[in-house]
Amino acid sequence: SYELTQPPSVSVSPGQTARITCSGDALPNHFASWYQQKPGQAPVLVIYEGSERPSGIPERFSASSSGTTVTLTISGVQAEDEADYYCQSADNSGTHPVVFGGGTKLTVL
Amino acid sequence: QVQLEQSGAEVKKPGASVKVSCKVSGYSLTELSMHWVRQAPGKGLEWMGGFDPEDGETFNAQKFQGRVTMIEDTSTDTAYMELSSLTSADTAVYYCATLQEGGNLYFDLWGPGTLVTVSS
Repeated sequence: SYELTQPPSVSVSPGQTARITCSGDALPNHFASWYQQKPGQAPVLVIYEGSERPSGIPERFSASSSGTTVTLTISGVQAEDEADYYCQSADNSGTHPVVFGGGTKLTVL
Repeated sequence: QVQLEQSGAEVKKPGASVKVSCKVSGYSLTELSMHWVRQAPGKGLEWMGGFDPEDGETFNAQKFQGRVTMIEDTSTDTAYMELSSLTSADTAVYYCATLQEGGNLYFDLWGPGTLVTVSS
């Protein structure tokens, strides 16, 4: 089955830039979305259609793509950004149109 | 403002079924593509399936085919997800979420989640 691969964890100090990657063979053909999930809460969409931010999401959240890897970038990380982040996309088979990455725990030191 | 409200936590025995509800307020369910995503304790997000309002069909992840039923009551704007033959591996928080199909598929609104615990 199709998989999206994320690093289990990323750590940064406040004010630094955090980069979380997501790799998958079908990513050149499909946009990725990103979700932030804090403990005990439902996920929140932070990036969609590759690089678009929903209303209310700070400008420090951005995303880019290169080949089979997409990257979520959080510039000027704040303590409140500590959370789990999941990428999500589609596969090419049509049988499992929605796929999530395994998630990355962002720790703000 | 669209909001999703889910039913309360459930405790079920192995082999039983569970039915989780998701009520939409501020919008019509008929204009939404409602999907279900679950998350086992300490694990990641897992897409289960959802409803396509354009053709009225549901499509589910192969893993759950034959075991999951998703229905919608448009008179009350409430979506339901029923999962049968439960095992301890089905212990998870179950989320309803609305799927958008713009440049890609993405979930723009999530319910608060319903914890389902399967235990003998």
